[in-house]
Amino acid sequence: AQRVTQPEKLLSVFKGAPVELKCNYSYSGSPELFWYVQYSRQRLQLLLRHISRESIKGFTADLNKGETSFHLKKPFAQEEDSAMYYCALLAASGAGSYQLTFGKGTKLSVIP
Amino acid sequence: AAGVIQSPRHLIKEKRETATLKCYPIPRHDTVYWYQQGPGQDPQFLISFYEKMQSDKGSIPDRFSAQQFSDYHSELNMSSLELGDSALYFCASKRKLAENTGELFFGEGSRLTVL
Repeated sequence: AQRVTQPEKLLSVFKGAPVELKCNYSYSGSPELFWYVQYSRQRLQLLLRHISRESIKGFTADLNKGETSFHLKKPFAQEEDSAMYYCALLAASGAGSYQLTFGKGTKLSVIP
Repeated sequence: AAGVIQSPRHLIKEKRETATLKCYPIPRHDTVYWYQQGPGQDPQFLISFYEKMQSDKGSIPDRFSAQQFSDYHSELNMSSLELGDSALYFCASKRKLAENTGELFFGEGSRLTVL
């Protein structure tokens, strides 16, 4: 069974400091990984996915299959980055269906 | 743009009562997912539907049932409510053809409190 681990429940950084939110996964197949973000009182929304190798709002994430990691990084944190961040793994659940499994989330707090 | 609509936003029930949550997916989305997020917990997958048929089942208790209707909206029915059912219930939708992209569009959630 697949599993997503986010070791940090809370991460506080000063504005302008670098940010790294850790994510490790366990999955026997070929992984597809995502970062979802939930701003205060808003819905969960997709931030980025590993297959597109894009940078969204200054965030990047590289899939490291050797370390089974998909850490989220940003060189200079902004106050508006304060939110809950969830790492998620897409896995086939049989019969042509896919299931998205979330990590427990990391709350990022950017201090002005 | 239209988003996923969930109703009600907040619901307070007592133990052993029943509750029904509703989800209206984005137009032309044919797949609906239900997630349960307890306090300080990650979203846990409950159940999903595609074209009105159950497509996958997660950690949904036997006391819960769900269905998807012809207009693609879905309802989650919860009976014999327990204190532990207090949580934020998210609905998400997508188009089946886009399933392997992993992008789900989430509603704002229905917060159920069981007293």
